[in-house]
Amino acid sequence: NAGVTQTPKFQVLKTGQSMTLQCAQDMNHNSMYWYRQDPGMGLRLIYYSASEGTTDKGEVPNGYNVSRLNKREFSLRLESAAPSQTSVYFCASIRTGGSPLHFGNGTRLTVT
Amino acid sequence: GDSVTQMEGPVTLSEEAFLTINCTYTATGYPSLFWYVQYPGEGLQLLLKATKADDKGSNKGFEATYRKETTSFHLEKGSVQVSDSAVYFCALSVGSSNTGKLIFGQGTTLQVKP
Repeated sequence: NAGVTQTPKFQVLKTGQSMTLQCAQDMNHNSMYWYRQDPGMGLRLIYYSASEGTTDKGEVPNGYNVSRLNKREFSLRLESAAPSQTSVYFCASIRTGGSPLHFGNGTRLTVT
Repeated sequence: GDSVTQMEGPVTLSEEAFLTINCTYTATGYPSLFWYVQYPGEGLQLLLKATKADDKGSNKGFEATYRKETTSFHLEKGSVQVSDSAVYFCALSVGSSNTGKLIFGQGTTLQVKP
């Protein structure tokens, strides 16, 4: 049972480039989330999908888009990367009716 | 808005020392409170939780009590081990404990030396 799988693990982009972070879970969870983790700021919610076919903005959605491709997969896209988007990105999922929130191992993104 | 404040780190302790990591929160409504732990190179894992006032969450020797009067949820462990070295995050959810929409504190790094 792999849990939540994120790809890639590391990525370096130049300002203005685009990329998609992939996330898949095999626990049949309905809800999925994207967080970013920055030093001294904890984790902040970017976007979430409460169920297949729905997406909503979190605390820091600017500069990002998401796609809930199916129940398993939830991708995060940076259309035009900026240095302020240098961060560690975590995908997470939770089953309907209860915690815990299950996290992937993160994608470390550097934008130069 | 809702927020969580944790004590500044890093916290450095010797093995078998007593640990306290302070966490206070501001929230409208009645939040559920959580402690998550992040080991190096990994994602966060739930350590313990409490869903209402005076509840005590516990796991792996760690404990935290939901104190509504002081809006606190301090993490404690009586005797830390080197394997407890990690980053600890206090978090809250408002309205339901069954959501992944959490507000996190900034994290506290714990280093335990042999």
